[in-house]
Amino acid sequence: QKEVEQDPGPLSVPEGAIVSLNCTYSNSAFQYFMWYRQYSRKGPELLMYTYSSGNKEDGRFTAQVDKSSKYISLFIRDSQPSDSATYLCAMIKGDGNKLVFGAGTILRVKS
Amino acid sequence: GAGVSQSPSNKVTEKGKDVELRCDPISGHTALYWYRQSLGQGLEFLIYFQGNSAPDKSGLPSDRFSAERTGGSVSTLTIQRTQQEDSAVYLCASRRRLLETQYFGPGTRLLVL
Repeated sequence: QKEVEQDPGPLSVPEGAIVSLNCTYSNSAFQYFMWYRQYSRKGPELLMYTYSSGNKEDGRFTAQVDKSSKYISLFIRDSQPSDSATYLCAMIKGDGNKLVFGAGTILRVKS
Repeated sequence: GAGVSQSPSNKVTEKGKDVELRCDPISGHTALYWYRQSLGQGLEFLIYFQGNSAPDKSGLPSDRFSAERTGGSVSTLTIQRTQQEDSAVYLCASRRRLLETQYFGPGTRLLVL
């Protein structure tokens, strides 16, 4: 069993839709949670970085962490075609050394 | 300032040949990571350098893979006697301090024929 599970999609939505992306994890040692966006033929770029359970909002993006359920989510409001990319969840254990990534979800926003 | 750079962008090689992939991290970043990303897969950790400490090589898939970091800056990932299953995108990342975000380079796309 992988430490971090993420549905690879692809997920196809119409422009303006609310998108929900999710990851589950099995190791309670994970303390810090991130979402990266990766455009085709580019390296991943950080979107959101959270520590505590609860919600963190940044513009159209909201990251949600539920440590009791070992479940994290990324919500995208008013999705745009420019949001079409692969979204990777990632997490770090308390020592802060290594990121463990999910497989990534391919998102396509149709105009 | 400049981000993480990697070279070459693309590399096509024949099975059995050795390849060297280069990473220039962001200046001042003490930690450097190598990852491998196969088609449709997430990022697989390969190796981690932190300052002058011994590298964490726990993710290297076989002894054909090695990496070094010279002068605490530039790093080279070497794959000896390449196999077709080594075909992937090799990503490098660097960070300044513990728990800070990692900044990724654009990757080197390796194709082994």
